[in-house]
Amino acid sequence: GENVEQHPSTLSVQEGDSAVIKCTYSDSASNYFPWYKQELGKRPQLIIDIRSNVGEKKDQRIAVTLNKTAKHFSLHITETQPEDSAVYFCAAVSGGGADGLTFGKGTHLIIQP
Amino acid sequence: DAGVIQSPRHEVTEMGQEVTLRCKPISGHNSLFWYRQTMMRGLELLIYFNNNVPIDDSGMPEDRFSAKMPNASFSTLKIQPSEPRDSAVYFCASSYAVRAEAFFGQGTRLTVV
Repeated sequence: GENVEQHPSTLSVQEGDSAVIKCTYSDSASNYFPWYKQELGKRPQLIIDIRSNVGEKKDQRIAVTLNKTAKHFSLHITETQPEDSAVYFCAAVSGGGADGLTFGKGTHLIIQP
Repeated sequence: DAGVIQSPRHEVTEMGQEVTLRCKPISGHNSLFWYRQTMMRGLELLIYFNNNVPIDDSGMPEDRFSAKMPNASFSTLKIQPSEPRDSAVYFCASSYAVRAEAFFGQGTRLTVV
C-alpha cells in the first residue's frame, strides 16, 4: 500500500516568516494529495489539495507544490500568523484508490511571537 | 447537514471489556474511513469502506478489531477484548469520493484502564 513520510515532525518559525513542510510518497500512481490542519483538541480539516495533473496550487498565504518525478510534495505558508500554530498532515491516495487516504505522521508548527 | 457524527465522545472502560464506537457519515458520501490517532503513530488508517463495502482493512491491528457498515448511514468499530494499548482518539471520516475532501467527526477518546 501507500506509504507517506513527512518532515519535520516539529517546526518553529518567527511570526511573519515562511514555513515549509515536506512529504514523500511511495506509490508512483498516487494522484491526489491533500493537506489537513488539526488544532489542539479538534478534528483535522482540509486546507488545500492538489492533483497529479497540476504542479502548484495557491490559496492566499498557502501553496502546495508537487514533483511527481521525485514523488515529493510540499506545503508552503507565507507571512505566518499565531493562528497558523497547529499540527499539519499531508496525505495521499494511491492510483487505484484501494488504499484509501493515507496520512503522514504530522508536523507540529509553532509560530513564535 | 450536521456533519459526521460520532458517539460516544469519551469512553472509559476496563481491560477485557467490549467497546463499540459509532459513526454516522454525511448523507450522500460513499467513502468512509476509520482512523486511530496517537502521539507516537499519528493518524493511522484502520479501515476504508466504499459504498458500504470494506475495501482495505490492512490497517486493522489484530483480530480484536472489527468494523461494519450495514448501510450507507451507519458504521461501527468494535474492539473485543479491549487492552490499555488501544487507548487513543478514534476518528471517523466520510467523503463523496476517495479523492475528495474527507470530513472528520469530532472523534471518540477511548481510555482502557
